[in-house]
Order: sequence, then structure tokens, then C-alpha cells
Amino acid sequence: SAVISQKPSRDICQRGTSLTIQCQVDSQVTMMFWYRQQPGQSLTLIATANQGSEATYESGFVIDKFPISRPNLTFSTLTVSNMSPEDSSIYLCSVVGTSGSNTGELFFGEGSRLTVL
Amino acid sequence: ELKVEQNPLFLSMQEGKNYTIYCNYSTTSDRLYWYRQDPGKSLESLFVLLSNGAVKQEGRLMASLDTKARLSTLHITAAVHDLSATYFCASAYGQNFVFGPGTRLSVLP
Repeated sequence: SAVISQKPSRDICQRGTSLTIQCQVDSQVTMMFWYRQQPGQSLTLIATANQGSEATYESGFVIDKFPISRPNLTFSTLTVSNMSPEDSSIYLCSVVGTSGSNTGELFFGEGSRLTVL
Repeated sequence: ELKVEQNPLFLSMQEGKNYTIYCNYSTTSDRLYWYRQDPGKSLESLFVLLSNGAVKQEGRLMASLDTKARLSTLHITAAVHDLSATYFCASAYGQNFVFGPGTRLSVLP
């Protein structure tokens, strides 16, 4: 299975500021996914980060608010810009397994819990 | 558009009892997943179901898949407090994953 490290694991942020979340995978993957989980809710896909091209955003999410970088096949960042209390969520990085019995399975990082005051 | 529903959304049950969580998905899917999430934690993969009639068991949990009915079930046998968590099913087609709303399970002594 893929080992995914995210940081920060949690943070408390002030309204109007921006925060960048880092995601490191222990193997090379083509696509990395960023999800948001608002309190008490399910997971919503923000965007798919592809190495060497711009991220693909889902409906309701825009690059100005959630810029993503994907400099190589093992690393990605998600920035939450100009934060408001409504951005308080867990942000999860995930990848799809590509080897053996893990092929096609979605693995998650530990998550980054953001609280915006 | 692929949609995934779960039933029930909240479940409170006594230790030792059995219960089933249902997961319905709306369109063609080639994989069905079950995840567990403890409060404040990330998602832990429980089962991956790949084909019609697939059944997988781990401890007190058993998952099954009926692709014709577009239905998966997660059966809990003789529940214990440690199973208290939120359980998500997710349907996948290619690289597209859609998650259900989750079932919040509380197992009471």
C-alpha cells in the first residue's frame, strides 16, 4: 500500500490568510487527489493533481481559491487561499494504488485539519 | 452522474447485536470500497469489492456486492464498542471515486 504523509496535521488560521498543505507519497504516482471533508460530512473531491500539467478542478472549486502544485511524481501541495470560517475542514490527500493487489485502491494521507477563526 | 447513498445515516446499537448497512450506487461501477473513519482521523480501507457476488470478511465485518442491484452491504456481527466509527462506502469507475454520506455507528454497552 502507498504511504502518504501530509503536513501540517492541524492548524488554526486567521480569517483572510492562506495556508499550504504538503503531501508526500512513498512511490511515484500519476495522479494525486485532494479531498475536503467538512465537519460531519462526507468527502468531496476538490481537484486532481497531474504531474506536468494544471490540476483539474471539480465543480464548485476554483484555482484562485485552491491553487495546487505538482512538481514531481511523489509530491503535491494544496493552498487554501483567503480563508474564511467556512473553509474549516479536514483536507485529505489521496492516491490510487498501482501495483499488485493494491491496484485501483484509493489510499489516504492522515489529513490536515484546518480551523479558521 | 454517479451518486452513492447509504442507509442508515446514523445507527445506534447494543453490543452483541447484528446489523447491516446498505450502500446503493446509481450508475455503472467497477469497484466498491468500504472505509472506516474514527473521529478526527483519516480513512482506513476495510474492503475492496471487485465483482458481482464478491464477499469479504474481516473479524466481525462482512461486505458483499450485488452489481445487478447496484447494492453493497456491510454486515456487523455481534457488535463491540470498538466498532464505533463512521463507515463510508465509495463507488469507483476508472479514476472517478464517489463517496456515500457515511453511516455513523455507535455501539453501546
